[in-house]
Amino acid sequence: AQTVTQSQPEMSVQEAETVTLSCTYDTSENNYYLFWYKQPPSRQMILVIRQEAYKQQNATENRFSVNFQKAAKSFSLKISDSQLGDTAMYFCAFIISGAGSYQLTFGKGTKLSVIP
Amino acid sequence: DTGVSQDPRHKITKRGQNVTFRCDPISEHNRLYWYRQTLGQGPEFLTYFQNEAQLEKSRLLSDRFSAERPKGSFSTLEIQRTEQGDSAMYLCASSFGSGVTDTQYFGPGTRLTVL
Repeated sequence: AQTVTQSQPEMSVQEAETVTLSCTYDTSENNYYLFWYKQPPSRQMILVIRQEAYKQQNATENRFSVNFQKAAKSFSLKISDSQLGDTAMYFCAFIISGAGSYQLTFGKGTKLSVIP
Repeated sequence: DTGVSQDPRHKITKRGQNVTFRCDPISEHNRLYWYRQTLGQGPEFLTYFQNEAQLEKSRLLSDRFSAERPKGSFSTLEIQRTEQGDSAMYLCASSFGSGVTDTQYFGPGTRLTVL
């Protein structure tokens, strides 16, 4: 069975500082894709960043970057220069490639609060 | 706004009643997904459509749940004989393409409360 574990239920960070959200996952598959989704309060979930498991280079999207450690099955999200608009629930997720399934498997989420 | 829309946004019902939710995907998106999110949990996959064909169903989708996507456009999710355990946020998402990495765009969700 595929599982995602986010060990930090809540985190806070001062505006303009850097914060790292942790994620570990478990799968016996070798080909998959990893995602971080953001769900702001009372708003819909949006994709923040994605990573292909076959790529060693860590993905970066502006202030968001990941640290992907395939052997450790770890996929952390780093947010630099935190902004008030980053306050949200952050979900780590993955999807298996080539298995004929299109379901995302999500973790329980980390609630991030950015403090002015 | 041309994003994924869901209706209603909130639904309160009594145990044993039937409820139906609607999802309108982004225009021309060929894939549509339903997820359920309970308090303190991440979304859990329920089912997925490619055009009008329902290609995948989770074991979470009991016999009381049925989903349709006639003509490959909007989709409905019906829950019959609701139970208190059905209380959750029901999320719809859509994507365009043929790969697993195609971005799934989520709607705002329908929050169901079963009394």
